[in-house]
Amino acid sequence: AQKITQTQPGMFVQEKEAVTLDCTYDTSDPSYGLFWYKQPSSGEMIFLIYQGSYDQQNATEGRYSLNFQKARKSANLVISASQLGDSAMYFCAMRELWTNDYKLSFGAGTTVTVRA
Amino acid sequence: DGGITQSPKYLFRKEGQNVTLSCEQNLNHDAMYWYRQDPGQGLRLIYYSQIVNDFQKGDIAEGYSVSREKKESFPLTVTSAQKNPTAFYLCASSSGGSNQPQHFGDGTRLSIL
Repeated sequence: AQKITQTQPGMFVQEKEAVTLDCTYDTSDPSYGLFWYKQPSSGEMIFLIYQGSYDQQNATEGRYSLNFQKARKSANLVISASQLGDSAMYFCAMRELWTNDYKLSFGAGTTVTVRA
Repeated sequence: DGGITQSPKYLFRKEGQNVTLSCEQNLNHDAMYWYRQDPGQGLRLIYYSQIVNDFQKGDIAEGYSVSREKKESFPLTVTSAQKNPTAFYLCASSSGGSNQPQHFGDGTRLSIL
């Protein structure tokens, strides 16, 4: 069964506007962590932001923030004030802590294109 | 600077040939991982290792083999049994903390001649 679902294959956003990337997850483990990565066309994976299942507040990191809705099992990434350099593929990933092996399950990704 | 080095950046394989992708890290991380990425898709786990001389199969281990003789190194061999090896291969490592991200190398693109 798919553990991470990203339903938006591609999105366009105007420069300086905000964009929300959807991520829903499926787990029966009460302890888990959610990660977002950015993959530019060059291929490297860049860690952006982390949200733990027991964190009381939504994570923020500069222009990145997480809209974490635990009951709905969603962890949407919000990129504010988009820049041309934000054009990339974005992946949501989950780590279930019961396994103790720190593996990540990745979604299929969302391609973001920022227009000038 | 600490990081993960993958080599080569591009690799070509002939039919029936085994090829080995290198992954070295100087982050002093215990855990290392190999992923495969096909065009326009997410990452799928091939193998992972949490400690030297021990490794586990991931979701798509068939046709691949690994070794972990040193903490810093986790090479991946794509064997001739892997019938569709053309893909982008990413190596990662992590320190093992539950909230610690995996750090990735720059990847190796493997193609069939």
